[in-house]
This record gives sequence, C-alpha cells and structure tokens, in this order.
Amino acid sequence: AQSVTQPDIHITVSEGASLELRCNYSYGATPYLFWYVQSPGQGLQLLLKYFSGDTLVQGIKGFEAEFKRSQSSFNLRKPSVHWSDAAEYFCAVGANTGTASKLTFGTGTRLQVTL
Amino acid sequence: GAVVSQHPSWVICKSGTSVKIECRSLDFQATTMFWYRQFPKQSLMLMATSNEGSKATYEQGVEKDKFLINHASLTLSTLTVTSAHPEDSSFYICSATSASYPNEQFFGPGTRLTVL
Repeated sequence: AQSVTQPDIHITVSEGASLELRCNYSYGATPYLFWYVQSPGQGLQLLLKYFSGDTLVQGIKGFEAEFKRSQSSFNLRKPSVHWSDAAEYFCAVGANTGTASKLTFGTGTRLQVTL
Repeated sequence: GAVVSQHPSWVICKSGTSVKIECRSLDFQATTMFWYRQFPKQSLMLMATSNEGSKATYEQGVEKDKFLINHASLTLSTLTVTSAHPEDSSFYICSATSASYPNEQFFGPGTRLTVL
C-alpha cells in the first residue's frame, strides 16, 4: 500500500526567506508524486508533479521539488517566500499504472508567513 | 483546460434530510471521478472511485448506502448524502481524470456541507 508522510505539521517562515517542505513516500515502484496547495475553504491547486525523467521539477508560483529515490523523498522548495504563500500544502502519491489510480495524501503542512 | 466544477459550493441542511452534490468536468470527458472528504484541519480522505456507467468502488469504512454515487455521464458525477447527520458535516471534494491524462486528477473547488 502506498503512503505519504509530511513530518512538519506547521512551519513559520519570514517573508523573503527560503522554504523547504518535507515529504516522504512509501510505494513499491516508481510513484507519481504531486504537491498541492489549499487556501482556507478552497479546493486544491496543483503546484507540480513528477512522473518520470528529470528529478528536479519546476512548478507554478516559483516552487520546485526534487525526487530522490534513495531517500523516498519529494521535498518542495521555494527560494523566497511571499506572504501570499501562506496556505496548507499537501504531498500526494499515486500509483504508476497507466490508468486512473487513487491518490494518497499526506496530512499536510500549514505554512505561516511572517512579515 | 481541465476544469472541474462543483455545485453547490456550500449547503446547510437539517438532520435526516438528503443532500446531492454535483461534480462536473467542464471541458473534458471524465472517465474516472473520485470523491474525497476533508474534516477541518485534516487531510483529504478518499471515499470512492467511480467510472462512467459503472458502480462506484467505495473505500473501506465508507457506507455505500449512505453516500450514493452516480456517474451517469462522462461529465457528471453526483454524491448524495442520505439521511444526513451532524457528523456528516465536512468539506467534500471531487476530482476527475481523463483518458488522455489518466494519472493526473483535476480537482473541483469543494462543497462545504453543514448538517444542523
């Protein structure tokens, strides 16, 4: 069974500082990996995804993530955080089956940005 | 492209009544749709997977007679919460995949259900 761990429940960073959100997954083969962001009362917005190829993935809003197979990790990074980045961030893993498969989400990391 | 809508965006109902939530893919044909629920400050939990024209597959612990899912067309799936109770109050989110992009789910904006 696939699973995702986001070790940090809550992170606070200053505006302009760098950010790294951790994500570790468990899956028997090469997974499909996703990062989503959710503002309060809103749905999910896809930040980036990894299916195959280059292990450093660029996403929207200046975010990037690196797939590290040896560490079973897919950490999300941003070099300079903006106040508007404050939200809940979810890492998710999906099965690499070529057909529609369910996603397993981590518990989320709430990002707070101080001015 | 790949826009998914949900209706209503929020609903308040009395205990014992039934509520229907619609999930539509606006610009693509959704071969598979997923329904999630999210309690406050918690993650998304998959409730069921539905394929067009087939019965939904429910996750363990989800009552299929309470959460009725219909996926009658390639652009519409509905979730009906029957005989709703306050503990069913939650944020319900749907997602959809297409044949062209089977491994990427496009999410709706969610529906906030409050049962009084």
